[in-house]
Amino acid sequence: EPEVTQTPSHQVTQMGQEVILRCVPISNHLYFYWYRQILGQKVEFLVSFYNNEISEKSEIFDDQFSVERPDGSNFTLKIRSTKLEDSAMYFCASSEDSYNEQFFGPGTRLTVL
Amino acid sequence: KNQVEQSPQSLIILEGKNCTLQCNYTVSPFSNLRWYKQDTGRGPVSLTIMTFSENTKSNGRYTATLDADTKQSSLHITASQLSDSASYICVVSVSGGNEKLTFGTGTRLTIIP
Repeated sequence: EPEVTQTPSHQVTQMGQEVILRCVPISNHLYFYWYRQILGQKVEFLVSFYNNEISEKSEIFDDQFSVERPDGSNFTLKIRSTKLEDSAMYFCASSEDSYNEQFFGPGTRLTVL
Repeated sequence: KNQVEQSPQSLIILEGKNCTLQCNYTVSPFSNLRWYKQDTGRGPVSLTIMTFSENTKSNGRYTATLDADTKQSSLHITASQLSDSASYICVVSVSGGNEKLTFGTGTRLTIIP
């Protein structure tokens, strides 16, 4: 069964460093998403991406964040200068279209020291 | 402000027993409501998706109900199993697409033998 994959599973970085989180969505899906979940809190929407551009983003997704689909399979989230409060689990998701079920990856745990 | 509230916050039941989890939302305009299961440290997995016109939907031992007038939903789990131990998250989508989902804080369900 096709699934969303994410790498790395755990990323530790120093405050102020740039990190890139990688995702491979399900191959025939057209809509891609990033979410984050701070430990013990609810999942929060960050951004959605369709047709090579951002279609929706939350207030969390500020200038420190960017997304890219560098090739036909990968979808990345870049945090330019990490802050302590960026420590969280980051989930990638994909869906066939905007009304269908979103399939989530296993997540990347980001720890900013 | 769009909000999704769930109760109880946590629940412990004996294996084989049934349980019902509650969700209230103030998301507007409403498009659809989803229930997800999230195991610790993993991504959410979709259980059901219901639109405005659907009152109930089942997925095996999981049955979700929706009352769009009172903006309430429930998830009923029948004949619980140890593997049902997880967080159950109610998620609501704003009309116009599912691109921006609003997540509840979840109910932490523990099944004991």
